[in-house]
Amino acid sequence: EAGVTQFPSHSVIEKGQTVTLRCDPISGHDNLYWYRRVMGKEIKFLLHFVKESKQDESGMPNNRFLAERTGGTYSTLKVQPAELEDSGVYFCASSRTLWGTEAFFGQGTRLTVV
Amino acid sequence: TQLLEQSPQFLSIQEGENLTVYCNSSSVFSSLQWYRQEPGEGPVLLVTVVTGGEVKKLKRLTFQFGDARKDSSLHITAAQPGDTGLYLCAGLDSNYQLIWGAGTKLIIKP
Repeated sequence: EAGVTQFPSHSVIEKGQTVTLRCDPISGHDNLYWYRRVMGKEIKFLLHFVKESKQDESGMPNNRFLAERTGGTYSTLKVQPAELEDSGVYFCASSRTLWGTEAFFGQGTRLTVV
Repeated sequence: TQLLEQSPQFLSIQEGENLTVYCNSSSVFSSLQWYRQEPGEGPVLLVTVVTGGEVKKLKRLTFQFGDARKDSSLHITAAQPGDTGLYLCAGLDSNYQLIWGAGTKLIIKP
């Protein structure tokens, strides 16, 4: 069974540009989560999809961040326009049911905004 | 804002020694999870503790959930170089969000 896959693994962009991160969850996992870790800080929740619907997006920092999950399969997280403080590692995780069962994390996308 | 304070932030010990990592909060969590993360990879779940006072063992690792479900500890017996890594605790709140500790970077020297 393939794990959670994230693309790209690294991205370096200039302030003001747009970047789109992609997450392919484990097949059959309805729940998909996005997290972010800013350097030196703890991992923070961004949002939670159940299939194609946003269950909870209370962690999204601002309206420069847009997440989608077309058809309840893969998800994208777009940052437009990117700011310096958006730099960090973005993790995606998926689980078959809500937390309480094991969630599997992708390897993360390291985003650097210069 | 819920916080999960993890300590120590960094620990470097010799092979064979014992160690304990702590996670403390003023908030109650429905469950608490411990993860291990290797460089360039995502966190991997080690264990989930659910009941106050629960103790789970995974080989040389012992996990305990506090009676009030506000704190947890990870104890490693006879640490080995293969235990080196970043250990993270995360508590599940009532909104099914994971609240994370900042992590403990553990180095076991041969």
